[in-house]
Amino acid sequence: GAGVSQSPSNKVTEKGKDVELRCDPISGHTALYWYRQSLGQGLEFLIYFQGNSAPDKSGLPSDRFSAERTGGSVSTLTIQRTQQEDSAVYLCASSAAGTANQPQHFGDGTRLSIL
Amino acid sequence: GQNIDQPTEMTATEGAIVQINCTYQTSGFNGLFWYQQHAGEAPTFLSYNVLDGLEEKGRFSSFLSRSKGYSYLLLKELQMKDSASYLCAVNRTDKLIFGTGTRLQVFP
Repeated sequence: GAGVSQSPSNKVTEKGKDVELRCDPISGHTALYWYRQSLGQGLEFLIYFQGNSAPDKSGLPSDRFSAERTGGSVSTLTIQRTQQEDSAVYLCASSAAGTANQPQHFGDGTRLSIL
Repeated sequence: GQNIDQPTEMTATEGAIVQINCTYQTSGFNGLFWYQQHAGEAPTFLSYNVLDGLEEKGRFSSFLSRSKGYSYLLLKELQMKDSASYLCAVNRTDKLIFGTGTRLQVFP
């Protein structure tokens, strides 16, 4: 597609439920990133994919968070047993290659609210 | 460890020039990015510096000094639409480490 597409754009769910967030990167982009942005905070790195593998999962805040990428394209971020502190905007970005000088292009994000 | 500092808020007048500073201390450095983020929208790429010096792109310029761990974004001929948050991000081996961003308000 023309840009990074994320769905849903908004998600409201009850504490304790599982949620799945989807990211469809720019066609041909091999690198894919997930970030979290809490109100008034900077972007927090969660996980990075190069192709279907995740060389860096260091940012995942707990074992309730997991992500996968299939076919070198779409990625899903899953949060199990959601907590109120998980409320944030989850941003996905992709770049042409996992090299230093390629800018990351961001989707519009999924605004997650945990009641 | 890693630390990226930017001013939290700045204000400026339409038509003026504003400089947004960013200082960083990170283990590993593969360049520095500046992104613009309007409220409720995705960050959009503005500039990238990997070598020392000034990169100019229209009304926006970005400067880097690696020895000082310092960068700035210079915005000239400010317009109302430039009101946004400006994010400094250090590239560490394919992972971007972001500062908390500088919220710029442009007044008429």
